[in-house]
Amino acid sequence: KQEVTQIPAALSVPEGENLVLNCSFTDSAIYNLQWFRQDPGKGLTSLLLIQSSQREQTSGRLNASLDKSSGRSTLYIAASQPGDSATYLCAAEHQAGTALIFGKGTTLSVSS
Amino acid sequence: DAGVTQSPTHLIKTRGQQVTLRCSPKSGHDTVSWYQQALGQGPQFIFQYYEEEERQRGNFPDRFSGHQFPNYSSELNVNALLLGDSALYLCASSFGYDEKLFFGSGTQLSVL
Repeated sequence: KQEVTQIPAALSVPEGENLVLNCSFTDSAIYNLQWFRQDPGKGLTSLLLIQSSQREQTSGRLNASLDKSSGRSTLYIAASQPGDSATYLCAAEHQAGTALIFGKGTTLSVSS
Repeated sequence: DAGVTQSPTHLIKTRGQQVTLRCSPKSGHDTVSWYQQALGQGPQFIFQYYEEEERQRGNFPDRFSGHQFPNYSSELNVNALLLGDSALYLCASSFGYDEKLFFGSGTQLSVL
């Protein structure tokens, strides 16, 4: 059974810092790994999706990497801003069209 | 282009009651998935509908049922509500069951 863990559960940084959020999964036979952002009481916004054949994806100040062999993914946020404050969730998809298995998320707070 | 829309946004019910949540998929999407997100947890997969059939189901009791209509919209029904059913219910749609998911803003259900 796939389990997804995110560390740390919460993180506070001053504006401008670069930071890394971690995601680990127990079953390396995944189809893809996706990172989402969730604002309080709101739905999920997809940030980056990494296919199993890929090593990383980039979008603006965000970079996500995937290491299937070690069961790990990281989300790198460069030059953090207060608007980046939110909960970040990672989710693993075992096969195409199957359910996403989510971690509990990392709640990020960026202070100005 | 409207994204995934869910109604109502908030709902308060009493234990033992029944509730129906509604979801309209993003334009052009034909697949709807439902997730339950308890406070402080990651979303958990309830079920997925494709071509008006339940294609796959997560580990939820039969009190949770759903339906997909010919226009691809969907309903989630929960019978005999328990306090533990209090959560944010998220609907996600995709074009095809193996394509990227787009999430709605959710329905916050409180069971008293």
